[in-house]
Amino acid sequence: SAVISQKPSRDICQRGTSLTIQCQVDSQVTMMFWYRQQPGQSLTLIATANQGSEATYESGFVIDKFPISRPNLTFSTLTVSNMSPEDSSIYLCSGDDRLNTEAFFGQGTRLTVV
Amino acid sequence: AQSVTQPDIHITVSEGASLELRCNYSYGATPYLFWYVQSPGQGLQLLLKYFSGDTLVQGIKGFEAEFKRSQSSFNLRKPSVHWSDAAEYFCAVGSNDYKLSFGAGTTVTVRA
Repeated sequence: SAVISQKPSRDICQRGTSLTIQCQVDSQVTMMFWYRQQPGQSLTLIATANQGSEATYESGFVIDKFPISRPNLTFSTLTVSNMSPEDSSIYLCSGDDRLNTEAFFGQGTRLTVV
Repeated sequence: AQSVTQPDIHITVSEGASLELRCNYSYGATPYLFWYVQSPGQGLQLLLKYFSGDTLVQGIKGFEAEFKRSQSSFNLRKPSVHWSDAAEYFCAVGSNDYKLSFGAGTTVTVRA
């Protein structure tokens, strides 16, 4: 299946700052998603990254806090804005591999906010 | 709305013993079902999937799962566990848009 390169793999950030996470897919994908995994928790969908248009956010997530870009079919970014310690999580992007009927994931970004 | 329940938060199994992880889902149409494994500090690796056809599916690392529509279940099994199987296991449900809902996860500990 396709491969997603996600970076950074981890970061420690000061509260009040912003971090942008990038995901690069080695082939074109129709759908890309961003998930959050809080410590000891499962994955929660943040938003669907739509190519060429505004992302579609799930309940509880807003664009001002998590702006997302998707300029083409192989790349997306998620920004975590005005960070607080509660934003400390693993953030993962995923894409659809319709040829193999599966959703595949990047390795994740482990964010710690101090 | 789609949802997934993994009733077992933590399972401890002896090396060489069999393993079964439970997964129940709620979904209005034909579900796409997935099992993923996450080792410490790692991303998600797909073990197996079901979306149609044979209800017993084989995956990587010797895992298999059986889709039972009448029970809304998709339990994961492995006949003989290896120490390297110690990890977090997630069941997920979605549709052909690949937007997934995940269960809470089951942590598997393997004892020697």
